[in-house]
Amino acid sequence: LAKTTQPISMDSYEGQEVNITCSHNNIATNDYITWYQQFPSQGPRFIIQGYKTKVTNEVASLFIPADRKSSTLSLPRVSLSDTAVYYCLVGDLIQGAQKLVFGQGTRLTINP
Amino acid sequence: NAGVMQNPRHLVRRRGQEARLRCSPMKGHSHVYWYRQLPEEGLKFMVYLQKENIIDESGMPKERFSAEFPKEGPSILRIQQVVRGDSAAYFCASSPDKGGELFFGEGSRLTVL
Repeated sequence: LAKTTQPISMDSYEGQEVNITCSHNNIATNDYITWYQQFPSQGPRFIIQGYKTKVTNEVASLFIPADRKSSTLSLPRVSLSDTAVYYCLVGDLIQGAQKLVFGQGTRLTINP
Repeated sequence: NAGVMQNPRHLVRRRGQEARLRCSPMKGHSHVYWYRQLPEEGLKFMVYLQKENIIDESGMPKERFSAEFPKEGPSILRIQQVVRGDSAAYFCASSPDKGGELFFGEGSRLTVL
């Protein structure tokens, strides 16, 4: 299973763009990169998923360089409600979603 | 379309008792996953089930823990003879297919006294 490394915590301010980078040096050919968000006392919620290059949805963008050894989750114009823990997961989805391993995540705090 | 429903939300048990946690997946989802989360830690995968079958239980402790997903009714995570170390939040997730997006419930918080 590919191991991921991401910052333990980050701070930013309302209206700023936030970029959270995740390292996954031993990512395998069939692995996808998925990000989840978790608020206190709630279950995680899917944000975005990608395999290579760039993926964008209504919530975030995911940038994946050609070597796929890292990825960056970009949150545009954050608000206080974006304060949460963000998990970067890497796994072979063909084998099943249970192959996605949750690490400690990045605790993002948005300040007014 | 209701989300993943877990109950109870909070459960208190004394050492040696049994804990039963229930999870009803989203409508149309036949894949269920159970995770455990200790305070300030990430979620740890426990077991993956489809209707009437355990697909992957590699994260499940070998003793005292069991899971089922019967043909009718919710998935059940059962912990026998609970110990203090079992105190945690237990999350259930469902997905419409094998590698699909996981939809999580609100979790069940078990406290063992």
